[in-house]
Amino acid sequence: LAKTTQPISMDSYEGQEVNITCSHNNIATNDYITWYQQFPSQGPRFIIQGYKTKVTNEVASLFIPADRKSSTLSLPRVSLSDTAVYYCLVGAETGANNLFFGTGTRLTVIP
Amino acid sequence: KAGVTQTPRYLIKTRGQQVTLSCSPISGHRSVSWYQQTPGQGLQFLFEYFSETQRNKGNFPGRFSGRQFSNSRSEMNVSTLELGDSALYLCASSLGLALINEQFFGPGTRLTVL
Repeated sequence: LAKTTQPISMDSYEGQEVNITCSHNNIATNDYITWYQQFPSQGPRFIIQGYKTKVTNEVASLFIPADRKSSTLSLPRVSLSDTAVYYCLVGAETGANNLFFGTGTRLTVIP
Repeated sequence: KAGVTQTPRYLIKTRGQQVTLSCSPISGHRSVSWYQQTPGQGLQFLFEYFSETQRNKGNFPGRFSGRQFSNSRSEMNVSTLELGDSALYLCASSLGLALINEQFFGPGTRLTVL
């Protein structure tokens, strides 16, 4: 089981780049890394997924070092609407893995 | 395309009762996962069903059970309810297995146990 560790909370000003790091020291060879965003009273929403190096989409980038023991979600130029809880999820298709979301990182964007 | 739907949205039960929650996945999705969310424990995985088979199970007691039908709709059941079962229960569907595919979450069922 690749359990994850994230900061409990972070604050950022509008317009800044925000980097949220997730530690997953026991990540297995075939595990993927996925990030979700959750607003109050809503279910989580998929942001990005990666296996190694760097992945970028229209809303975020995901940086994964060579040892894959951590990953960093990068949100460029955050706005107030990015205030949410962000979850890092690690796992793979095979085996009896648990989908471990944990308590996530609560990001507050300040005007 | 319709999203994931969950019924009922709100439910109030008393200790000792049982409850059944329903989840209809996005059309074409074969995987349905269930989660429990509480302020103290965050988002915890209950179980995942894929093609009517339970593929993964979280660390919850046997009072929590589920099933998936041939049309991919899923139900979860909680028997002998306890106060600590009060939570938001979320269902998510994905094309393939949950860990390597994008999961789409429903709005949840808020269960209150009195």
